[in-house]
Amino acid sequence: DIVMTQSPDSLAVSLGERATINCKSSQSVLYSSNNKNFLGWYQQKPGQPPKLLIYWASTRESGVPDRFSGSGSGTDFTLTISSLQAEDVAVYYCQQYYNAPFTFGPGTKVDIE
Amino acid sequence: EVQLLESGGGLVQPGGSLRLSCAASGFTFSTYAMSWVRQAPGKGLEWVSAINNSDSGSTFYADSVKGRFTISRDNSKNTLYLQMNSLRAEDTAVYYCAKSSRGHCYSPADYWGQGTLVTVSS
Repeated sequence: DIVMTQSPDSLAVSLGERATINCKSSQSVLYSSNNKNFLGWYQQKPGQPPKLLIYWASTRESGVPDRFSGSGSGTDFTLTISSLQAEDVAVYYCQQYYNAPFTFGPGTKVDIE
Repeated sequence: EVQLLESGGGLVQPGGSLRLSCAASGFTFSTYAMSWVRQAPGKGLEWVSAINNSDSGSTFYADSVKGRFTISRDNSKNTLYLQMNSLRAEDTAVYYCAKSSRGHCYSPADYWGQGTLVTVSS
């Protein structure tokens, strides 16, 4: 099974500042045939289901603000919130959909400093 | 508007069974893969199971539920199911139904239901 890890476990950032979350997979999730990374990022606010933010590691889902961006390839990925807003307080998860079981990372909690 | 409505959760004793349903609307159900993801109280997301778009589609399971849970779908009823047998206390969680963005399971989940709570306790 592919093990997903995230760092940090939590972070507090001032409003308007940058937040960076890292995700690492235990094996590459890059599919060589189409050069796509099978990696997604989700946001979960308290009491709500998860919401897809980023897929294929760097493609923003429709309607997601452009302050959210994803980068990385192979085994190392990053979610960046360029200018943190109050409504971004949430837990963020990465997930690989390269191989079943389609595992999630443990999550990173983002708060306002 | 895509809607996913889970039902069937509740309190069940250890060793018991439960069947969850997810009624889908607002999209062509038979076109997309579907999955179940759970979240134990205060914990992170755990992928549980997924099924490709056809009624007899390929299925996948987490090791923690393999042999005990069965995912299925009825495309004529636009409904996804999760039959859960031999339930354990560690299966206690909110179970989310999620729609994949493609017909196969190797794709992200772009819509989620609100979840249904399963509690396994004596």
